[in-house]
Amino acid sequence: GENVEQHPSTLSVQEGDSAVIKCTYSDSASNYFPWYKQELGKRPQLIIDIRSNVGEKKDQRIAVTLNKTAKHFSLHITETQPEDSAVYFCAASESGSQGNLIFGKGTKLSVKP
Amino acid sequence: SAVISQKPSRDICQRGTSLTIQCQVDSQVTMMFWYRQQPGQSLTLIATANQGSEATYESGFVIDKFPISRPNLTFSTLTVSNMSPEDSSIYLCSVEYRAGGTDTQYFGPGTRLTVL
Repeated sequence: GENVEQHPSTLSVQEGDSAVIKCTYSDSASNYFPWYKQELGKRPQLIIDIRSNVGEKKDQRIAVTLNKTAKHFSLHITETQPEDSAVYFCAASESGSQGNLIFGKGTKLSVKP
Repeated sequence: SAVISQKPSRDICQRGTSLTIQCQVDSQVTMMFWYRQQPGQSLTLIATANQGSEATYESGFVIDKFPISRPNLTFSTLTVSNMSPEDSSIYLCSVEYRAGGTDTQYFGPGTRLTVL
């Protein structure tokens, strides 16, 4: 089955700097890769996603890149703000089914003012 | 996106008892799922709740321990049976919602379960 590795597990940046979180996946049939942000005590919130027919997608300060050959995808946050502090999870769909999301272990991002 | 609610939001239960968690969506959705998130951990898919048929369980999860119902396209329940302290977790339902021609998965607020 699908396996998703996520790095780093913790990341601390200064406000205004960029943050990059990387994930690798094992199932070449996976074709959907969402990113979720989870603040303490709250539900995971979808912040951006990418499908396998696209190499990059951007939404304001957030971007995701996908390299299907290498089977890895990354989240880029520019001009970080303290409210970006949260745990970020990457996920991949198993065997092409968007329903069966397999999650990485998460990255705790801390943005220091 | 769909509005998803869960009941109860939290509960403290004694070992050996069972708890049923409800998930309600404000619109009809094809796919509904149940996840477990243990303290400080990632999300693990328990099962896909299928409308009108038995749920599809992931490896390591069985129907006797986590029976699931899906009577219609807006509602599902997850029961945690014969609970032990190891079942203490946050249980989240999620739905796959179509908007703008694409399917995206959204999560409910979760149910925080503590088993003593």
